[in-house]
Amino acid sequence: AQSVTQPDIHITVSEGASLELRCNYSYGATPYLFWYVQSPGQGLQLLLKYFSGDTLVQGIKGFEAEFKRSQSSFNLRKPSVHWSDAAEYFCAVGAMEYGNKLVFGAGTILRVKS
Amino acid sequence: EAQVTQNPRYLITVTGKKLTVTCSQNMNHEYMSWYRQDPGLGLRQIYYSMNVEVTDKGDVPEGYKVSRKEKRNFPLILESPSPNQTSLYFCASSRGLLEKQYFGPGTRLTVT
Repeated sequence: AQSVTQPDIHITVSEGASLELRCNYSYGATPYLFWYVQSPGQGLQLLLKYFSGDTLVQGIKGFEAEFKRSQSSFNLRKPSVHWSDAAEYFCAVGAMEYGNKLVFGAGTILRVKS
Repeated sequence: EAQVTQNPRYLITVTGKKLTVTCSQNMNHEYMSWYRQDPGLGLRQIYYSMNVEVTDKGDVPEGYKVSRKEKRNFPLILESPSPNQTSLYFCASSRGLLEKQYFGPGTRLTVT
């Protein structure tokens, strides 16, 4: 069955430091990949998505993600974290071959220390 | 303003008392979906709808019902709620599965 793994439950980084959040998926088909962010008490907001083409995808708020098919990964990165980036981040995967479902990872909580 | 609204935002109820959580979107989206969010489990899809009168089960449909009689509305029905349905629920809509999903603000449900 298809699955999405975010290995890190919590990550703490210093403000201004770089960030990488990991996402691994298990799909037998060509996946469509998303990163969403959830600020405390809020709904989810799309940061970026990947369908095909260039494997490095740029998103909003200075985030980017790289699709690596050989590693079944879609890691999210930001070169310099701001205190306002503290939130929970979710990786999500869909594939037309598996119907019209979207499967989310368990999330990674990012803490930013000043 | 493009938005997805959910009502109520908070609900405390007792086991077995039927309830409905409403969801409405004003973007003419075809795809709508319900998720529940539980600590450590992320979001799990309950049901989704590709269009009016077209609904299908997600990963955790047991104990829930949905309907899609109008394009803008996608209510979630709990016929006989149980404590294990205590959760935070989100409705979302998009132009399609592979498009950006717009999420509602969430409904926090407690079943005692």
